[in-house]
Amino acid sequence: DAGVIQSPRHEVTEMGQEVTLRCKPISGHDYLFWYRQTMMRGLELLIYFNNNVPIDDSGMPEDRFSAKMPNASFSTLKIQPSEPRDSAVYFCASSFWGVTLYEQYFGPGTRLTVT
Amino acid sequence: QKEVEQNSGPLSVPEGAIASLNCTYSDRVSQSFFWYRQYSGKSPELIMSIYSNGDKEDGRFTAQLNKASQYVSLLIRDSQPSDSATYLCAVNDSGGSNYKLTFGKGTLLTVNP
Repeated sequence: DAGVIQSPRHEVTEMGQEVTLRCKPISGHDYLFWYRQTMMRGLELLIYFNNNVPIDDSGMPEDRFSAKMPNASFSTLKIQPSEPRDSAVYFCASSFWGVTLYEQYFGPGTRLTVT
Repeated sequence: QKEVEQNSGPLSVPEGAIASLNCTYSDRVSQSFFWYRQYSGKSPELIMSIYSNGDKEDGRFTAQLNKASQYVSLLIRDSQPSDSATYLCAVNDSGGSNYKLTFGKGTLLTVNP
């Protein structure tokens, strides 16, 4: 089975530009999570969806960040405008309802560098 | 503020030894606990989950949970150089319908040949 797919794997952009990160969850999974990882703050949850509906976005740092899930197989995380402090690795993870609900499976991540 | 605390390490053990990784959490109502392994430059990979007090064994890995002490640990027996990675402890915030995980910052483990 294919795991969680993320694109691009690496993104370098200049401050002020719009950045869009993409995620395809594991087929059949109905929960999708976006995380950000930095050395200083570790792995932080930004937002999560259930059945394409955003459930908790309390981790989204500010209005420059937005996330959508138009269907069960695709989600985007957008940063507009980007700033150097947004530089991090962004992970998407998915899980499904059931006994192992809380077990999340991570994609390979997108390493974002904002100069 | 819910917190998950881990010793950042690095923890260095010789090949064949037992590596012991520890984690404490602040939210007493947490119900689900996980250990993820993250190799340098890679994504976190789930290796163990534990939901009730006591020990859970899976191959060379044993997870231990003590809810009264708000403590969860991971033991790696017969450590191998391939076990060298950062180990992240994760806790479900409050169980029930809340599906968020809070992660510790991880412990870097180095297994020396």
